[in-house]
Amino acid sequence: GAVVSQHPSRVICKSGTSVKIECRSLDFQATTMFWYRQFPKQSLMLMATSNEGSKATYEQGVEKDKFLINHASLTLSTLTVTSAHPEDSSFYICSARYTGGMTGELFFGEGSRLTVL
Amino acid sequence: QKEVEQDPGPLSVPEGAIVSLNCTYSNSAFQYFMWYRQYSRKGPELLMYTYSSGNKEDGRFTAQVDKSSKYISLFIRDSQPSDSATYLCAMSRLTNFNKFYFGSGTKLNVKP
Repeated sequence: GAVVSQHPSRVICKSGTSVKIECRSLDFQATTMFWYRQFPKQSLMLMATSNEGSKATYEQGVEKDKFLINHASLTLSTLTVTSAHPEDSSFYICSARYTGGMTGELFFGEGSRLTVL
Repeated sequence: QKEVEQDPGPLSVPEGAIVSLNCTYSNSAFQYFMWYRQYSRKGPELLMYTYSSGNKEDGRFTAQVDKSSKYISLFIRDSQPSDSATYLCAMSRLTNFNKFYFGSGTKLNVKP
């Protein structure tokens, strides 16, 4: 299947710093990517939908100034957690919908575990 | 009521057993159905994808969609300890291609 790569897989940062997570579609172009947050033993929580060349659409309750999303190309979307605090520690996962045919499956990255000290 | 309901488990079975995982949904407009396997601290991995009703088989996995009952299933034959993971169902509508609805996930434990 199509591959979505996410980097870094783990990051530890100090409180108050910013962290950038990259999401790449490796073998297809993704006009739309999605960012999720997952708490332990819980399902995926959609944070925002990232659209290539335009502003991201954020879900209710997600601070757009805190979680900056940039989708600068058809294969790359980035999530920047600004002024991170310990409560931002979580597992962040990106996904992209395959647009190479009529099927449209949703593929996920490997996830990024953020720990804010 | 949630759009997609999935029993969280945990479901514990012996190695070699047939596993049945299920989701129910309330929106009859759902047309695309997906099953994912998620290992601890990893992103979900797409296992099966079906459109509309019917069955689809891939190796030890069979996905089944019953639109009249708003019920989807994933069967795992000859289950292995390596199948131990959380299984998520997901679905979307034809008219809103980018909106996905996820089940809460069922944790499966296959005992050797």
